[in-house]
Amino acid sequence: NAGVTQTPKFQVLKTGQSMTLQCAQDMNHEYMSWYRQDPGMGLRLIHYSVGAGITDQGEVPNGYNVSRSTTEDFPLRLLSAAPSQTSVYFCASSYSPGRGKKLFFGSGTQLSVL
Amino acid sequence: AQKITQTQPGMFVQEKEAVTLDCTYDTSDPSYGLFWYKQPSSGEMIFLIYQGSYDQQNATEGRYSLNFQKARKSANLVISASQLGDSAMYFCAMRDTDSNYQLIWGAGTKLIIKP
Repeated sequence: NAGVTQTPKFQVLKTGQSMTLQCAQDMNHEYMSWYRQDPGMGLRLIHYSVGAGITDQGEVPNGYNVSRSTTEDFPLRLLSAAPSQTSVYFCASSYSPGRGKKLFFGSGTQLSVL
Repeated sequence: AQKITQTQPGMFVQEKEAVTLDCTYDTSDPSYGLFWYKQPSSGEMIFLIYQGSYDQQNATEGRYSLNFQKARKSANLVISASQLGDSAMYFCAMRDTDSNYQLIWGAGTKLIIKP
């Protein structure tokens, strides 16, 4: 009963370093997405995917890359970390992008960039 | 553009009282869905309740109900008989075709239940 699995839970990076946040779901969901949550704000969409091989940008895509080679996995890559990318990151998925389909969330990754 | 507004940054409520958390939305799409999520201090996002724009009745899930007033573009969350464990951030979100079905989020309301 894994659902959406995100790793790592915590990460500290130095400015300029790169890293990949991993996200995997075992529910055969078509739709996967990455959000960031900053203090006092709602979630903001970084990138999303509506199926293997299909990705698109959200509201705040700069500095991040994604790929979707399988239905299950949707990694988020930080190319050159900046302090402005300090945030909590959530991966989320749903059966489809449809209006009635709720998102299932991972447990989040707290990222600090020094 | 689509927008979700939660006007209450924080609320204090006495335990066992009912709570209403406000949410207004803006969309020109007649087909949309409205969601409420809870985020406790542990950080996870927990789905609470969903209302579709064409649903005839207000959604209910246990102690949670949604006061859906379509003409006013309002989707308030009502928690009956509040409990200490209800203390958390609460987010309202919307999904419609104009946003390519991406979830648009409000800024959240921090609810604190007092014993």
